[in-house]
Amino acid sequence: GENVEQHPSTLSVQEGDSAVIKCTYSDSASNYFPWYKQELGKGPQLIIDIRSNVGEKKDQRIAVTLNKTAKHFSLHITETQPEDSAVYFCAASRELGSNYQLIWGAGTKLIIKP
Amino acid sequence: DAGVIQSPRHEVTEMGQEVTLRCKPISGHNSLFWYRQTMMRGLELLIYFNNNVPIDDSGMPEDRFSAKMPNASFSTLKIQPSEPRDSAVYFCASSPGTGRGETQYFGPGTRLLVL
Repeated sequence: GENVEQHPSTLSVQEGDSAVIKCTYSDSASNYFPWYKQELGKGPQLIIDIRSNVGEKKDQRIAVTLNKTAKHFSLHITETQPEDSAVYFCAASRELGSNYQLIWGAGTKLIIKP
Repeated sequence: DAGVIQSPRHEVTEMGQEVTLRCKPISGHNSLFWYRQTMMRGLELLIYFNNNVPIDDSGMPEDRFSAKMPNASFSTLKIQPSEPRDSAVYFCASSPGTGRGETQYFGPGTRLLVL
């Protein structure tokens, strides 16, 4: 079945620097790759997503890249700010007949140091 | 819109008791997901409804867990009897259409502690 690995588990960066979180997936049929941000005490919230027919997508300070051949995708946050501190989750879609679900990475705790 | 609403926000119960978690999805959304989040296992999908019909319940741990969606604006997740290993944060999420390849909007979660 689908497996999603996410690295690193914790990332500490200086405010203003860039942060990169990487995920790999195993199912070549996966075609949807969202990234969610979870703040303490809240549910995850979508920040950006990418589909398998696109290699890169950008939204202001956030970008996602997808390498289908290597089966990995990455989240890039530039000019980090204190409010970027949170846990970030990647996910990959898995469809089996009528069944559908997102397979989630284990999460990355991003710490922005002032 | 108020977003996805879950109740209760916190629940403490004793082993063997029945627990019912409630969810009101965003109005007009057709798909609803129940997730469980723990430190050990991360985010796990328990069950996924589309148009009030269960589509994928392969993540439901065992017969002690059951979920219903009697109408488009309400769903319950029941655990009977509860066990300490059920302690987790349970999230409900909804999405506008089929649920496939769509943004999922999460509620604030119910933190369950089974003693």
